[in-house]
Amino acid sequence: NAGVTQTPKFQVLKTGQSMTLQCAQDMNHEYMSWYRQDPGMGLRLIHYSVGAGITDQGEVPNGYNVSRSTTEDFPLRLLSAAPSQTSVYFCASSYSIRGGTEAFFGQGTRLTVV
Amino acid sequence: GESVGLHLPTLSVQEGDNSIINCAYSNSASDYFIWYKQESGKGPQFIIDIRSNMDKRQGQRVTVLLNKTVKHLSLQIAATQPGDSAVYFCAENIGDSGYSTLTFGKGTMLLVSP
Repeated sequence: NAGVTQTPKFQVLKTGQSMTLQCAQDMNHEYMSWYRQDPGMGLRLIHYSVGAGITDQGEVPNGYNVSRSTTEDFPLRLLSAAPSQTSVYFCASSYSIRGGTEAFFGQGTRLTVV
Repeated sequence: GESVGLHLPTLSVQEGDNSIINCAYSNSASDYFIWYKQESGKGPQFIIDIRSNMDKRQGQRVTVLLNKTVKHLSLQIAATQPGDSAVYFCAENIGDSGYSTLTFGKGTMLLVSP
C-alpha cells in the first residue's frame, strides 16, 4: 500500500515548456486535490476532483489543467511554464470531502522554472 | 530552492518541554479545524482535528484547543521530542463545502533541542 505517489520529485523547466506532474493513489479515495506551497506560505489549492470525470478550480488555478479519467490518477498539467510557477506541489487524496482526518499527502514535487 | 520554513514564526524549545503553537483563523463560519505536521522534504501529515461544537480534543501527546470567541486555535504538544521538529499548519474548513474552502495558515516552525 503506497498511499499517494507523486512523480517526479524534482523538475527544472525552461519558461514556456509544458509538463505533467503525476499523482496516483491506491486507497480508492474519491477526492483528490493539488496544492502549491511557496516559502513562508501555507498550501494553496490549485484544482480538486470529487470523483472520476469531475474536476473543479481551487484558489489559484490559472496556468494549470487537470483531468480525472480514473479514480487512481490525477495529473496536473502546466501548459506553458512561467517562473511564477516555481514552487513545491503536493497532491492529496481523501475519502471525505472535508479533507481532514482522512487526507493523505504525497511527498511533493519541487519544480523550478528558469 | 528556498526552504518552506524560511520567514515563518519559529518556536524553539528544549526536549521534554511542553510546546504550544497558536493559530488565528479568519472565518467565523469555519466549523472544522485541522492541524498538520510537515517535516523537511515531506508532505503534510494529519495530526488532529476538532469540530466547532468542541473546545478541546486530545490525542496522543497532543491537545487542540479552540476558542471561537476570539477565533483562535492552539496545538499543545506534551513532552516535546526532537522528532517533533517540523512546520505545523492549521487549516480551517466550512461545513460540507469541502476542499474548495479548506484554508491553510502560513505555518509555525518548531525546533526542539536535545
